[in-house]
Amino acid sequence: KAGVTQTPRYLIKTRGQQVTLSCSPISGHRSVSWYQQTPGQGLQFLFEYFSETQRNKGNFPGRFSGRQFSNSRSEMNVSTLELGDSALYLCASSLGATEGTEAFFGQGTRLTVV
Amino acid sequence: TQLLEQSPQFLSIQEGENLTVYCNSSSVFSSLQWYRQEPGEGPVLLVTVVTGGEVKKLKRLTFQFGDARKDSSLHITAAQPGDTGLYLCAAPAGGSWGKFQFGAGTQVVVTP
Repeated sequence: KAGVTQTPRYLIKTRGQQVTLSCSPISGHRSVSWYQQTPGQGLQFLFEYFSETQRNKGNFPGRFSGRQFSNSRSEMNVSTLELGDSALYLCASSLGATEGTEAFFGQGTRLTVV
Repeated sequence: TQLLEQSPQFLSIQEGENLTVYCNSSSVFSSLQWYRQEPGEGPVLLVTVVTGGEVKKLKRLTFQFGDARKDSSLHITAAQPGDTGLYLCAAPAGGSWGKFQFGAGTQVVVTP
């Protein structure tokens, strides 16, 4: 059974640009969550999608957005990049049918903003 | 806000020694997960504990969920260099679908 796949693994962008990250969940999983991980803040929740609907959102500015497709694949977009957006972005998939279903993470996308 | 506090923040030990990592909160959780993360990689799920007082073993790793389901511990026996990594505890954010809250993590370094 294939795991969670995130692409690309690494990205370098310039301030002011925008970026799109992709996540393919485990087959059969309908929930996809996104997290930002930085040394200072740890893992912080961005948002969660289930069956193409955003069910939950963290405390991030509107520059961070996401969507989920009918095949459960998800993308997140960050517009007008800032230096502080440099982080490891992690996607987690779960069955999502009940609260607290186990989450399985992808390898992450390392975003560097210069 | 339900906070998960992990201690210690950092552990450096010699191969063969034992270690324990703690995860504490003032809140009650329906379940708690432990993950291990290596540099530049995503966290890997080690175990989920659900029942108060539950003990689960994964080879040399022993996980315990507190009786009141507010705390948990991870004990590694005879640590090996392959146990090196960032250990994270996580729990569902109550009432929030698909959202987990994470502890800050314990960095474990096992030297040969």
